[in-house]
Amino acid sequence: GENVEQHPSTLSVQEGDSAVIKCTYSDSASNYFPWYKQELGKRPQLIIDIRSNVGEKKDQRIAVTLNKTAKHFSLHITETQPEDSAVYFCAASRGGGADGLTFGKGTHLIIQP
Amino acid sequence: DAMVIQNPRYQVTQFGKPVTLSCSQTLNHNVMYWYQQKSSQAPKLLFHYYDKDFNNEADTPDNFQSRRPNTSFCFLDIRSPGLGDAAMYLCATSRVTLGREQFFGPGTRLTVL
Repeated sequence: GENVEQHPSTLSVQEGDSAVIKCTYSDSASNYFPWYKQELGKRPQLIIDIRSNVGEKKDQRIAVTLNKTAKHFSLHITETQPEDSAVYFCAASRGGGADGLTFGKGTHLIIQP
Repeated sequence: DAMVIQNPRYQVTQFGKPVTLSCSQTLNHNVMYWYQQKSSQAPKLLFHYYDKDFNNEADTPDNFQSRRPNTSFCFLDIRSPGLGDAAMYLCATSRVTLGREQFFGPGTRLTVL
């Protein structure tokens, strides 16, 4: 089955700086890669996603890049703010659209004021 | 507002006593998923329903079962809970024809005494 590796497990950045979280996946059939933000005790919330036919996608301060050849994708957050502090999960999925998600182990992002 | 609802939000059961968790959705999505999330870990897919078709993950223990009596409702049954089954159980939905985004419910926190 699919295996998703995520690094780093903890990331501390100064407010206003950029944060980058990286993931690799093992299944070349995976074609959908979402990123979720989860605050303590709350549900995961989708922040951005990318499909395998696209190399990069941006939404305001958040961007995701995908390298299919290398099987890795990254989350970039610019101009970080205190409310960005949370656990971020990458995930991968394959198939026609009903397959579940395989998650990375998560990155605890800490924004230092 | 259309949403994914989980009941109860907190469930306490005794070791070996069957328990049922409930998920309902007003999104009219055709896919419903159950994930298990243990403390400080990533969500792990247990199984999903695509319409009436049940799809079990290979490593989901037989102790976990699911029912989907109609489009709106899905249940997670744990036949004989063990201490290791204490976790947050997340229900999610998606609609294949509308893309791949999965919408998560708030989760049910299960405690096993």
